[in-house]
Amino acid sequence: DIQMTQSPSSLSASLGDRVTISCRASQSISSWLNWYQQKPGRAPKLLIFSASTLQTGVPSRFSGSGSGTEFTLTITSLQPDDFATYYCQQSYNSPLTFGGGTKVDIK
Amino acid sequence: QVRLVESGGGVVQPGRSLRLSCAASGLIFSDYAIHWVRQPPGKGLEWVAVISFDGTNQYYADSVKGRFTISRDNSKNMVYLQMNSLRPEDTAVYYCATDPSGYIHGPNDYWGQGTLVTISS
Repeated sequence: DIQMTQSPSSLSASLGDRVTISCRASQSISSWLNWYQQKPGRAPKLLIFSASTLQTGVPSRFSGSGSGTEFTLTITSLQPDDFATYYCQQSYNSPLTFGGGTKVDIK
Repeated sequence: QVRLVESGGGVVQPGRSLRLSCAASGLIFSDYAIHWVRQPPGKGLEWVAVISFDGTNQYYADSVKGRFTISRDNSKNMVYLQMNSLRPEDTAVYYCATDPSGYIHGPNDYWGQGTLVTISS
């Protein structure tokens, strides 16, 4: 099984900050990497798919990069609505796997 | 708009069975693979199973293989998750989610609101 490791597991940031979240796969997954945002009590929301393609309706302050085993989610200017938990997911093969999540809260 | 509604959750004893349902609307259902993803209370997301657009392929997480069965009825826009031999560690909110690739490689672009399954004696 492919293991997905996210870092950090949590971070504190201020409004307007640039935030970077990393995700590492235990083997190459090409660009089969997706990012989700989840708020408490809510279903996850797709932000980015295929490592760098922004889902329709997602603000352009979100971006994704990487391929192979190293991936990054960047939020260029943190907004109040962005405080949430973020997960990466590989869809290269079964079993699909998620990273452990990164909780972004207010500094 | 696309809507997914899960049902069938509840409290059951260890070793018993439960069947979850996922009703879809607002999309060409037979074009989409459907996944089940679960989240134990206070923990992260865990992928459970997927069924391809036409129902011919199913894949499972190791933790549920042999106990859970995913199926679909494209005439009713429904997906089911039959869960047998339930264990306390199966306690979670269960979400169904769409996959536009029709197989397993797409992202999960639409999600239901989830249904809570609690395994307890």
